[in-house]
Amino acid sequence: KQEVTQIPAALSVPEGENLVLNCSFTDSAIYNLQWFRQDPGKGLTSLLLIQSSQREQTSGRLNASLDKSSGRSTLYIAASQPGDSATYLCTVPNSGGSNYKLTFGKGTLLTVNP
Amino acid sequence: EAQVTQNPRYLITVTGKKLTVTCSQNMNHEYMSWYRQDPGLGLRQIYYSMNVEVTDKGDVPEGYKVSRKEKRNFPLILESPSPNQTSLYFCASYHRALDTEAFFGQGTRLTVV
Repeated sequence: KQEVTQIPAALSVPEGENLVLNCSFTDSAIYNLQWFRQDPGKGLTSLLLIQSSQREQTSGRLNASLDKSSGRSTLYIAASQPGDSATYLCTVPNSGGSNYKLTFGKGTLLTVNP
Repeated sequence: EAQVTQNPRYLITVTGKKLTVTCSQNMNHEYMSWYRQDPGLGLRQIYYSMNVEVTDKGDVPEGYKVSRKEKRNFPLILESPSPNQTSLYFCASYHRALDTEAFFGQGTRLTVV
């Protein structure tokens, strides 16, 4: 059974800092890994999708890496801003037979202080 | 624009009063799924559907029903809601090719009193 762990559970940084969020998964037979952002009580906004054959993906100030063999992904946020404050979730899909199920980590709650 | 649309966004209801949360996607995706999100428990899958008329239980299906009569729609039905179904619900859709992005609806905040 796939398990996804995100460390740290919460992170508070001053504005302008570069930071790294970590995601680990137990079953390396994944199709892709997707990072989402969630504002309090709101929906999920997709940030980056890394295919299983890729090592990293970049979008603006965000860079996500993937190391399938070690079961790890990192989300790097450069020059953090207060608007980056949110919960960041990583997820991997597992096709257990006919069920294309997404397994989520519990998330990292990021607070960027002005 | 590719999107998954859920309605309603917010709902307060009383115990036992049947309700339906609608979900519609415009990407012709085969797979659709419902998740609930609770503090400390994260997101858990309720039901999923591989295609029209094909549905099956996820991890927490008790108290829920679904149907998939059309490819674009996947409603979640609570026949007799109870307070423990108070939660934030998300509908998701994705293409059969498993290396593609999953799309989520905006969420439905349900409170059962």
